[in-house]
Amino acid sequence: GEDVEQSLFLSVREGDSSVINCTYTDSSSTYLYWYKQEPGAGLQLLTYIFSNMDMKQDQRLTVLLNKKDKHLSLRIADTQTGDSAIYFCAAKGNQAGTALIFGKGTTLSVSS
Amino acid sequence: ETGVTQSPTHLIKTRGQQVTLRCSSQSGHNTVSWYQQALGQGPQFIFQYYREEENGRGNFPPRFSGLQFPNYSSELNVNALELDDSALYLCASSRSGTSSYEQYFGPGTRLTVT
Repeated sequence: GEDVEQSLFLSVREGDSSVINCTYTDSSSTYLYWYKQEPGAGLQLLTYIFSNMDMKQDQRLTVLLNKKDKHLSLRIADTQTGDSAIYFCAAKGNQAGTALIFGKGTTLSVSS
Repeated sequence: ETGVTQSPTHLIKTRGQQVTLRCSSQSGHNTVSWYQQALGQGPQFIFQYYREEENGRGNFPPRFSGLQFPNYSSELNVNALELDDSALYLCASSRSGTSSYEQYFGPGTRLTVT
């Protein structure tokens, strides 16, 4: 089955760009997501990309997809302390009833 | 537009007991999925309900069961609780059809089993 892997920690300074990376194993994954989780909270859908796209930009967020290498990245421009959280990469197939398969999450720490 | 809500926020149960968690889907959404998130882990898929029937299931034993009601709200029931069932339980709602890939999560229910 699908396996999603992420690096566990990333530390950046306020104002810098952050890049969080993710790899997945199932080439039939059709939708790829980034979710944000703040302490004690649920998951916030940040953005998603279809497998037939290479890039998607949404304000400070840029998602890059390399389908050949099954590699997904999330770039946060001008990172702020409020961006400190756990970021989850997730993949989903196209069939009804299929689940989101999540990585273990990357903890982003932003220092001022 | 009303978001996904879950109740209760927290609860503590004893091993062997049974628990029911509740979820109200986002307005306009008819599909509900349940996930278990253990401490330090990513969420794991339990099952999904669509049109009041189970539409997909992850690798969880039968003591995890669910219901969906005509108003699309849902319950997760866990029987014979074990210590390893301690986790954050997340509910996600989505539309069926062309927008089914957009899943929105509730704030979760923190279950502690002692």
